[in-house]
Amino acid sequence: GAVVSQHPSRVICKSGTSVKIECRSLDFQATTMFWYRQFPKQSLMLMATSNEGSKATYEQGVEKDKFLINHASLTLSTLTVTSAHPEDSSFYICSASFSRGHGNTIYFGEGSWLTVV
Amino acid sequence: DQQVKQNSPSLSVQEGRISILNCDYTNSMFDYFLWYKKYPAEGPTFLISISSIKDKNEDGRFTVFLNKSAKHLSLHIVPSQPGDSAVYFCAASVKGAGNTPLVFGKGTRLSVIA
Repeated sequence: GAVVSQHPSRVICKSGTSVKIECRSLDFQATTMFWYRQFPKQSLMLMATSNEGSKATYEQGVEKDKFLINHASLTLSTLTVTSAHPEDSSFYICSASFSRGHGNTIYFGEGSWLTVV
Repeated sequence: DQQVKQNSPSLSVQEGRISILNCDYTNSMFDYFLWYKKYPAEGPTFLISISSIKDKNEDGRFTVFLNKSAKHLSLHIVPSQPGDSAVYFCAASVKGAGNTPLVFGKGTRLSVIA
């Protein structure tokens, strides 16, 4: 089946530094990928829609300059958290759409747990 | 305004019995619905989906029912197994979940008791 892979699965960084999270579709091409964030015991909150070859579309309240998204190829989207603060600590998940015939299904990566100290 | 609602934050079921997880939605434009299973610190795993042209879709132990007039869907798991214990998210999309993002409910934590 379709596989979406994220790397790293866990990362710890110091306040003020930047960290990059990669999302890859391993056996299919994804023109659109989505980035979500999940706080403990809460639902997944959409951060942005990543479009291959164009600028990402950010949800209201998500800082574009803080959460940089690049979708340079059909199989890779990256999320860079810039000038990280402890409140950015969260679980970040990417997803990509894969056609299943009767409709597209969105598959998720394994998630990346970011801790900012 | 929450467009996808899972009103039961938790559910406990005995092993071997049926688990029924419910989901309601408000946006009549939604035409594609999905259920995901999620363990802590892992990405959601796709379980089953249903298009609005159907009212039932079955895959092994999992069956999803859609009642468009009531804007309600449910996931049935039978028989329930301890490994089914996880958080289940209902999600909905417009235009078949192509390039439009999913809208998630808040999830229901299922505990299957041996």
